[in-house]
Amino acid sequence: DAGVIQSPRHEVTEMGQEVTLRCKPISGHDYLFWYRQTMMRGLELLIYFNNNVPIDDSGMPEDRFSAKMPNASFSTLKIQPSEPRDSAVYFCASSPSGTGYFGYTFGSGTRLTVV
Amino acid sequence: AQKVTQAQTEISVVEKEDVTLDCVYETRDTTYYLFWYKQPPSGELVFLIRRNSFDEQNEISGRYSWNFQKSTSSFNFTITASQVVDSAVYFCALSNYGQNFVFGPGTRLSVLP
Repeated sequence: DAGVIQSPRHEVTEMGQEVTLRCKPISGHDYLFWYRQTMMRGLELLIYFNNNVPIDDSGMPEDRFSAKMPNASFSTLKIQPSEPRDSAVYFCASSPSGTGYFGYTFGSGTRLTVV
Repeated sequence: AQKVTQAQTEISVVEKEDVTLDCVYETRDTTYYLFWYKQPPSGELVFLIRRNSFDEQNEISGRYSWNFQKSTSSFNFTITASQVVDSAVYFCALSNYGQNFVFGPGTRLSVLP
């Protein structure tokens, strides 16, 4: 299995621009999670999906952030407009179960820099 | 509310020393899972171990060992004979039966040659 695949690995953009991060979960995993990692706040859960349906988006910081999962093999996290404080590493993770038993498999992350 | 505390922000050891990373958790649930993840300098998050709340047996995997004690709500991680390649940030995490997966702040381990 190729694992969770995220793209791009690095993204540098100017403030005000739209940014789209992409994730392909492991086939057969029904749960998909988006996390943000910063020095100040550590790893924060932004949103998670079950069977392509958003279940909890309470971690999404503002209306500038949106996430979609149009099918079982693809999800996007969009920031529009981006701001310098959005600079962080964004991780996507997937899991086969809702029980927490299996833990999460993480992608390699996207390092976003907003200048 | 669930919470994971890793009191050690940074630890430095010399190669071949043993090192223990502490993890203390809080939860009201009786069924829960504990995890350790490793984040090497390359940035990815690597799963190391999972423990469920009903299994207090300690586990050893090569140079790694884990000590789970419900009485003190701790799930500590020991690396024996540390190596430079062990240098990373290590995260302890807690999950209940749902999807409330909480990470600790991490401990940065530096193993010096």
